Amino acid sequence: EIVMTQSPATLSVSPGESATLSCRPSQNVNTKLAWYQQKPGQAPRLLIYGASTRATDIPARFSGSGSGTEFTLTISSLQSEDCALYYCQHYNNWPLMYTFGQGTKLEI
Amino acid sequence: EVQLVESGGGLVQPGGSLRLSCAASGFTFNDAWMNWVRQAPGKGLEWVGRVRSTSDGGAAEYAEFVKDRFSISRDDSKSTLFLQMKSLKSDDTAVYYCTRDLMFCDGDKCYLGGAFDIWGQGTMVTVSS
Repeated sequence: EIVMTQSPATLSVSPGESATLSCRPSQNVNTKLAWYQQKPGQAPRLLIYGASTRATDIPARFSGSGSGTEFTLTISSLQSEDCALYYCQHYNNWPLMYTFGQGTKLEI
Repeated sequence: EVQLVESGGGLVQPGGSLRLSCAASGFTFNDAWMNWVRQAPGKGLEWVGRVRSTSDGGAAEYAEFVKDRFSISRDDSKSTLFLQMKSLKSDDTAVYYCTRDLMFCDGDKCYLGGAFDIWGQGTMVTVSS
């Protein structure tokens, strides 16, 4: 079973700066990685899939990179509305499994 | 508007059963591969299971922890997804989200994107005596 480790657990950044969130799968997942944003009391929202492709209507301030066992979500020009939990997620076709990281809390 | 709306959550005693529903609108439900994902209070996200589109066989697959206790089904005529849960435990207490598998198509061929592009607002299930 692949374990997804996200770091840091909490990240505090000032408005206008950039934030870099890390996700490290315990095994090579190629680029089968997605990122989600979850605000308090809301459902998660897909940000990035295929490690680097932005989902529909996601601003260019959000970018994903990486492959294998190291992935990064970068959020530039941070705004207060970016305060949220961010989760990475891997998809494995066989055996079928969608595995989430434990999340990174972004404070602004 | 593309939307998923869950219902059916509530308080249930340990060992009891519950059926959740998810009404879809704004997209072609028949072609969608659908999932349930849960989130225990204050915890992270956990995939529960998936059902393929009927045209792709309609098979359901589950996370290991489900262990034959949960069953996912769909009614395409009503654009509705279901999660039947039995032998519920306190560990099953969570918000249950209905989600759609991301699909992207290249001509006639469509591919799973390995992510969930539409989420419902969730329905809370509390297992307690």
